[in-house]
Amino acid sequence: DVKVTQSSRYLVKRTGEKVFLECVQDMDHENMFWYRQDPGLGLRLIYFSYDVKMKEKGDIPEGYSVSREKKERFSLILESASTNQTSMYLCASSPPTGPYEQYFGPGTRLTVT
Amino acid sequence: RKEVEQDPGPFNVPEGATVAFNCTYSNSASQSFFWYRQDCRKEPKLLMSVYSSGNEDGRFTAQLNRASQYISLLIRDSKLSDSATYLCAVIPADKLIFGTGTRLQVFP
Repeated sequence: DVKVTQSSRYLVKRTGEKVFLECVQDMDHENMFWYRQDPGLGLRLIYFSYDVKMKEKGDIPEGYSVSREKKERFSLILESASTNQTSMYLCASSPPTGPYEQYFGPGTRLTVT
Repeated sequence: RKEVEQDPGPFNVPEGATVAFNCTYSNSASQSFFWYRQDCRKEPKLLMSVYSSGNEDGRFTAQLNRASQYISLLIRDSKLSDSATYLCAVIPADKLIFGTGTRLQVFP
């Protein structure tokens, strides 16, 4: 069974802190994605990666960076957290055929105070 | 214009009703289409892919209308457990673009 896990379900951080969100998948998928989901705005792509050490900017990369050192792990980094980064963060992976049929992790609800 | 648009709802329907949602997309070159289901405070899960010829999975039917650039999801004989938000997703190039979702509430 496909499984994507995220390091925390809930996280509270202070403005200016550096925040790491971890995502691990066990399906040997090449493709991994980070989204944020906000009411009325839906899912917005932050960054994605089609291979180890490879990353591509999504639609809203500002204020974020990512790391993909191993195939199964994709990390999202908030360099200096701000209150407008309070959101639900969802990681997803998909098989190598493309960004189809994405499998999502349970999400991390991040609050920045 | 948004790349993918959905009526946010909510659609409130009684058990046993038939309900349909539409999702419009702006890029005529889009090739792949999907419906995802998202329960409250949970992650989205793939419900079904949408093929050119349409496809059916039990009570759920998905259709694609390329001429008018929309996909639809029909749910027959609604169950209480169908209450959720339904997200459409489209691949216009190399990324999956999600709609903001349509909320369905099925009541007894």
